Amino acid sequence: QVQLVESGGGVVQPGGSLRLSCAASGFTFSSYGMHWVRQAPGKGLEWVAFIRYDGSNKYYADSVKGRFTISRDNSKNTLYLQMNSLRAEDTAVYYCATSIWVDAFDIWGQGTMVTVSS
Amino acid sequence: QSALTQPRSVSGSPGQSVTISCTGTSSDVGGYNYVSWYQQHPGKAPKLMIYDVSKRPSGVPDRFSGSKSGNTASLTISGLQAEDEADYYCCSYAGSYTFNWVFGGGTKLTVL
Repeated sequence: QVQLVESGGGVVQPGGSLRLSCAASGFTFSSYGMHWVRQAPGKGLEWVAFIRYDGSNKYYADSVKGRFTISRDNSKNTLYLQMNSLRAEDTAVYYCATSIWVDAFDIWGQGTMVTVSS
Repeated sequence: QSALTQPRSVSGSPGQSVTISCTGTSSDVGGYNYVSWYQQHPGKAPKLMIYDVSKRPSGVPDRFSGSKSGNTASLTISGLQAEDEADYYCCSYAGSYTFNWVFGGGTKLTVL
């Protein structure tokens, strides 16, 4: 079945870096744009970044622009989020998500927790 | 981009109906018919309940309905059931000059 599985979360010091991965299965990964969405503890959802199906265009929320980089490897059915210059306010569960059947986030992963703390 | 405005909490008894509002601007909710709603139970990933303002994905009960008027979208849940107790988030495309999506702050639904 259609599935997204995130990994790579953990505890990192302020100013540090982390790379998240999202493994896709059950659908033709190379045909769909992919998003990262995050949720700080006890807070709401925040869209983070989007990459087109072929990686040709990438878009970012202002809060992460210049620090985060979204990328994908269609040969490995995997989405990435490289996070640099991390701040305490980046602490959140990070979800990957996509729009397969409808024009909305209809498929979500289970999320991976990132904690930025000294 | 500012978050869309939702009430922090709503409540209702089983069998009743509740409506959750989501207020944005002409640059997001009012400018596009790309409003969606998500249900999130504690510790779980969000689940899509409504897309394109008022459409239901396959498998979502018809007790859930969506609408929009101007810059405000609404989610109505009729015939409340205990399992509907969850957080609900609205979301709108806010493309304008760049590709961008904005979520609401979330509404906690309590089934009394």
